[in-house]
Amino acid sequence: SAVISQKPSRDICQRGTSLTIQCQVDSQVTMMFWYRQQPGQSLTLIATANQGSEATYESGFVIDKFPISRPNLTFSTLTVSNMSPEDSSIYLCSVVSLYNEQFFGPGTRLTVL
Amino acid sequence: AQSVSQHNHHVILSEAASLELGCNYSYGGTVNLFWYVQYPGQHLQLLLKYFSGDPLVKGIKGFEAEFIKSKFSFNLRKPSVQWSDTAEYFCAVNAGGTYKYIFGTGTRLKVLA
Repeated sequence: SAVISQKPSRDICQRGTSLTIQCQVDSQVTMMFWYRQQPGQSLTLIATANQGSEATYESGFVIDKFPISRPNLTFSTLTVSNMSPEDSSIYLCSVVSLYNEQFFGPGTRLTVL
Repeated sequence: AQSVSQHNHHVILSEAASLELGCNYSYGGTVNLFWYVQYPGQHLQLLLKYFSGDPLVKGIKGFEAEFIKSKFSFNLRKPSVQWSDTAEYFCAVNAGGTYKYIFGTGTRLKVLA
């Protein structure tokens, strides 16, 4: 299994600002994903973070709002831009192992005022 | 489009009671199936998975799940729950040949001591 860490673990931000969330994995992985878990709801895939190329976004999510970087096989960042209270959520990083098992980071709890 | 339904949103049981959480998915092709658990204040953990073979799979902490292809179901069971099983449980489906996971809305289980 992979060990995943995320920073920050939580933050409270003002409307209109941006927050960058970091995800670090203890081993090289091919597939890395970013999810959102809104209060009382399930996990929604935001995008696949691709190493060396632009992220692949799911329907309803765009690069201008959620820019993602993946400079190498162990690290990725997700930025939540121009935040509004509707962006309050838990943001999760995940990776997929060679055996098609998905492992999740501890999440970043974001509150936008 | 693929979807996953978890019919029980909140379940309250007394210790030693038996548990069954329903999960149905909509996808006609080959699937991989998962149950994840999220204990209070902790991150998502893989409870068990089904890729192929015996449709009755056993996971950690005494949990098991049965894949019934004709019913598109993958219900989670435990014969005797403990207070420590209090958590949120998510069913997830991964279409064969892809890495994209679709999650259900989750079931909050509370076990009364």
